[in-house]
Amino acid sequence: AQSVAQPEDQVNVAEGNPLTVKCTYSVSGNPYLFWYVQYPNRGLQFLLKYITGDNLVKGSYGFEAEFNKSQTSFHLKKPSALVSDSALYFCAVRGPFRVTGGGNKLTFGTGTQLKVEL
Amino acid sequence: DGGITQSPKYLFRKEGQNVTLSCEQNLNHDAMYWYRQDPGQGLRLIYYSQIVNDFQKGDIAEGYSVSREKKESFPLTVTSAQKNPTAFYLCASSPSQGARTEAFFGQGTRLTVV
Repeated sequence: AQSVAQPEDQVNVAEGNPLTVKCTYSVSGNPYLFWYVQYPNRGLQFLLKYITGDNLVKGSYGFEAEFNKSQTSFHLKKPSALVSDSALYFCAVRGPFRVTGGGNKLTFGTGTQLKVEL
Repeated sequence: DGGITQSPKYLFRKEGQNVTLSCEQNLNHDAMYWYRQDPGQGLRLIYYSQIVNDFQKGDIAEGYSVSREKKESFPLTVTSAQKNPTAFYLCASSPSQGARTEAFFGQGTRLTVV
């Protein structure tokens, strides 16, 4: 079974400082990895994904993530945090596509609340 | 505008009632999903559908039912068998060959039992 772990319930960072939100995963085969952001009482917005190729993936709003196969990690990063980045962040994994037997499940972590303060 | 529409935004249910949450998409996606969100538990998959007239149970399907009669629509019914239905419900969709593609989410329905 595939799974995602986000070990930190909350991350606090000062505006202008770099931020990291951690994610580790478990899946059979090559993983497809995603980061989403959620603002209060809203749906999830896609930030970035890793499918194949370069281990450093760049996404929306200045976010990037680094895929590390040996550590089964996909940490989200931003060089300089903004107060407006404060939100709930979710990491997700999807295994290789299968037509039957469970198909195309997207499994999420429990989320990390990012708080950026002045 | 292309996207996913969930309605209503807020829903109140009395004990013992069934309620149906609507999810409509105009993205021409084959796959659709229902997730439940509770504080501290992330998103848990209730049901998903890869194609019209077919759907699969997710991790917490008990007390829920779905139908997929049209490509655009994937309604979720919360039945009286669901003992703790108060939660935020999210609908999502993705293209059928979707392992490499991200899912798109609606704005959610907050269900409260009164």
